[in-house]
Amino acid sequence: DVKVTQSSRYLVKRTGEKVFLECVQDMDHENMFWYRQDPGLGLRLIYFSYDVKMKEKGDIPEGYSVSREKKERFSLILESASTNQTSMYLCASRTSGETDTQYFGPGTRLTVL
Amino acid sequence: AQRVTQPEKLLSVFKGAPVELKCNYSYSGSPELFWYVQYSRQRLQLLLRHISRESIKGFTADLNKGETSFHLKKPFAQEEDSAMYYCALRGVSNTGKLIFGQGTTLQVKP
Repeated sequence: DVKVTQSSRYLVKRTGEKVFLECVQDMDHENMFWYRQDPGLGLRLIYFSYDVKMKEKGDIPEGYSVSREKKERFSLILESASTNQTSMYLCASRTSGETDTQYFGPGTRLTVL
Repeated sequence: AQRVTQPEKLLSVFKGAPVELKCNYSYSGSPELFWYVQYSRQRLQLLLRHISRESIKGFTADLNKGETSFHLKKPFAQEEDSAMYYCALRGVSNTGKLIFGQGTTLQVKP
C-alpha cells in the first residue's frame, strides 16, 4: 500500500516566518507534487519534481520554493509566510506507466496569523 | 489553454436519486481524464479514469470529445457517496501533471 505522509496536520505560523512543509513517500516514485486546496478554487499546483534535485514551477509558485534532495522527500518552503498563504496544502506522489495514479498525503492545514 | 470546469459548487440529492456531476474541459489533443474523490476526514483518492472504462462504487464517466465533457454519473445515490469530487485532466508532459477543476460537493440526503 502506497504511503504518502506529511509532517504536520495543522500548523499555525506568524506573518514573515519561514515555514517548512515536509512530504515523504515510500514507493520510490520519481514524481512528486505540491498543491494548495482552497474552497471554490480546487487544487492548484505550486511546484512539482520529476526527479531528485529536479523541479518545475506549477501554476502558482510565487512565494514558495521547494527542495528535493532525496527521492522519497519533497519539501515545500514558504520563505516569508503571508496571510494569503493560509490554506490546505496537499502533497502527492505519482506512479508511472499503466496505472498512472497520483497518491495524496493527508494534507497540512496552515494558518498564517 | 488547458482548463477543467466544474460548474456546480454543490449538488444536493436524495438517497436513491440519480446523480450527475458535470465536468467540461478545454484541451488541444487527446486528453486523459480522471475523477478524484475526498470523503470527510480522508485523503484525496482516485475514483476512476476514462481510459479504464470501469465502474467504481457504481459511478461511471464517459468521455465525450464532441462536447468536451467527462460527466460523472450514478443511477442511485447512496448517503456514503457524500464527498467532494474533483475532475482532473492530465497534461501533455510525461511528468503526469494534473489540472484540477474547482470541485463539486455532493450531498446525499436520507
